[in-house]
Amino acid sequence: GNSVTQMEGPVTLSEEAFLTINCTYTATGYPSLFWYVQYPGEGLQLLLKATKADDKGSNKGFEATYRKETTSFHLEKGSVQVSDSAVYFCALNSNTGFQKLVFGTGTRLLVSP
Amino acid sequence: DADVTQTPRNRITKTGKRIMLECSQTKGHDRMYWYRQDPGLGLRLIYYSFDVKDINKGEISDGYSVSRQAQAKFSLSLESAIPNQTALYFCATRAGTGGTEAFFGQGTRLTVV
Repeated sequence: GNSVTQMEGPVTLSEEAFLTINCTYTATGYPSLFWYVQYPGEGLQLLLKATKADDKGSNKGFEATYRKETTSFHLEKGSVQVSDSAVYFCALNSNTGFQKLVFGTGTRLLVSP
Repeated sequence: DADVTQTPRNRITKTGKRIMLECSQTKGHDRMYWYRQDPGLGLRLIYYSFDVKDINKGEISDGYSVSRQAQAKFSLSLESAIPNQTALYFCATRAGTGGTEAFFGQGTRLTVV
């Protein structure tokens, strides 16, 4: 079945550091890929997405590129801020069949001033 | 008003009690989901529904049941709560195609004592 593997956290960075959170997936066909963010005490909200190979999703300075050859969708940001501290979830959704949204285990990011 | 509303937000209940978590959405989407979030395990799918007459078990449905009362309402029941059902529960909704975003409620924190 479909699955998502992302790096364990927490990831601890100083403000303005470069961020990478790795995400790889296993899926049949050509899934859509997502990054969701969960701020403390809140539900998940979409950060960015890509629906086909080589697409780059971007939002709020975050980027991720859909790499079919390496089955990856790594999240990057050039300069993190304290306000980026949150839990980040990689997810995929099959474009066929029941289209269940499958999540990784989440990576907590802690950014210090 | 929020797109997805969950009630209650917090609940403490005793082992063996029946409890219902409610979810309503104003997005007009046909697909609704219940997830459970546990530390280190990410989000796991309990049940999902593609319309009022179509309800499907997710990966961890044992001990849970659901009811899709209307397109906009999807409730989750624990028939006889047990302590290992203590978790954060999220309801989500999305439109029909694979690349579309899921919208989440703010979560219900359930504690079974």
